[in-house]
Amino acid sequence: AQSVTQLDSQVPVFEEAPVELRCNYSSSVSVYLFWYVQYPNQGLQLLLKYLSGSTLVKGINGFEAEFNKSQTSFHLRKPSVHISDTAEYFCAVSPNAGNNRKLIWGLGTSLAVNP
Amino acid sequence: DTAVSQTPKYLVTQMGNDKSIKCEQNLGHDTMYWYKQDSKKFLKIMFSYNNKELIINETVPNRFSPKSPDKAHLNLHINSLELGDSAVYFCASTRGLAGDNEQFFGPGTRLTVL
Repeated sequence: AQSVTQLDSQVPVFEEAPVELRCNYSSSVSVYLFWYVQYPNQGLQLLLKYLSGSTLVKGINGFEAEFNKSQTSFHLRKPSVHISDTAEYFCAVSPNAGNNRKLIWGLGTSLAVNP
Repeated sequence: DTAVSQTPKYLVTQMGNDKSIKCEQNLGHDTMYWYKQDSKKFLKIMFSYNNKELIINETVPNRFSPKSPDKAHLNLHINSLELGDSAVYFCASTRGLAGDNEQFFGPGTRLTVL
């Protein structure tokens, strides 16, 4: 079985500051890793994903994440945030083998960017 | 062109009523999902269909019944609505069953049970 822990439920930050949203996972098998973003009153959309290869993954809107297998982490970063980045961010994992490949979701991190 | 659409966007109803939410995707995907998001933003998968076949059925009261008339549509019918059913319900779709595929979400249906 897999589980996902997002270590911060809320992250307040000032505009143009860097931000890191932390995600750790637990799994007995190899996994694919995802970050999704949910803007206010909208559905979720994919920010980025790690499937294999380079451990540094770049996504949309200037976000990137680094897969660290030894620490079972997949932290999301952005060097300079904008007001428009205010949203809920979800980390998710999916086993990369087997028939039941549903996404296992973290509880989300609310990013609030202040002027 | 909306990729995944849901109707209605808002649904306000009394306890005990029966209601349906509809979902359609025009992406040609094989797999569709229903999620429930509570007031704390916790996202819980309810059901998943692949080519009209039920493949995921989480621990959901049997008052909830999904129906997939074809692979582009997945509807959710809820009987005898309860206060605890108030939430935002999201439909999503993805290509195939492989876990590496992106899920595309609809805009959500906010259900309020009074």
